[in-house]
Amino acid sequence: SQQGEEDPQALSIQEGENATMNCSYKTSINNLQWYRQNSGRGLVHLILIRSNEREKHSGRLRVTLDTSKKSSSLLITASRAADTASYFCATRGGSNYKLTFGKGTLLTVNP
Amino acid sequence: DTEVTQTPKHLVMGMTNKKSLKCEQHMGHRAMYWYKQKAKKPPELMFVYSYEKLSINESVPSRFSPECPNSSLLNLHLHALQPEDSALYLCASSHPAGDVVSLHFGNGTRLTVT
Repeated sequence: SQQGEEDPQALSIQEGENATMNCSYKTSINNLQWYRQNSGRGLVHLILIRSNEREKHSGRLRVTLDTSKKSSSLLITASRAADTASYFCATRGGSNYKLTFGKGTLLTVNP
Repeated sequence: DTEVTQTPKHLVMGMTNKKSLKCEQHMGHRAMYWYKQKAKKPPELMFVYSYEKLSINESVPSRFSPECPNSSLLNLHLHALQPEDSALYLCASSHPAGDVVSLHFGNGTRLTVT
């Protein structure tokens, strides 16, 4: 299975602090994506990093990818209460359509 | 607000009922997906349609029957469900396969089977 494994499972921080979540996967990938899910809502695509990229930025988000270690990290800087959500990594390998999600990290940002 | 619309938002059905979940998108995407998500778990892929044809069926029980009437609509017909089928059912869409495929999700239908 290519399912990613997020670490930690839950993270609680204060507003203004940085949050780092990690994802490990098992097999080779074409790209790795991060999604956010607010409670009871659908998932929202945040950022995609290709297998030949090492780092990518989007606003307050920074994603790194280490294919030799089969791992990725998502950093959210200067967190806000509105960042409270579950964050999932997702990997795509062989099939162009099969996106497999990791177990997720529940981030709570306290005001 | 999401550009993928799912109806109904909530559904309660008995084990002998027949119901349908509906999904609509107008982004011109030609791939559409059904995912199932249990509480505190990641979404699990059920079906993928590509250009209105079933592309992937992740060995889903036959009590779930997908249908893609046209490029904008995706249905999931439900019949003789079990209480363990209670979950959040998420529809998603994307551009056709390529180097980059990211999904646009609806807000889901919360299904309760009694």
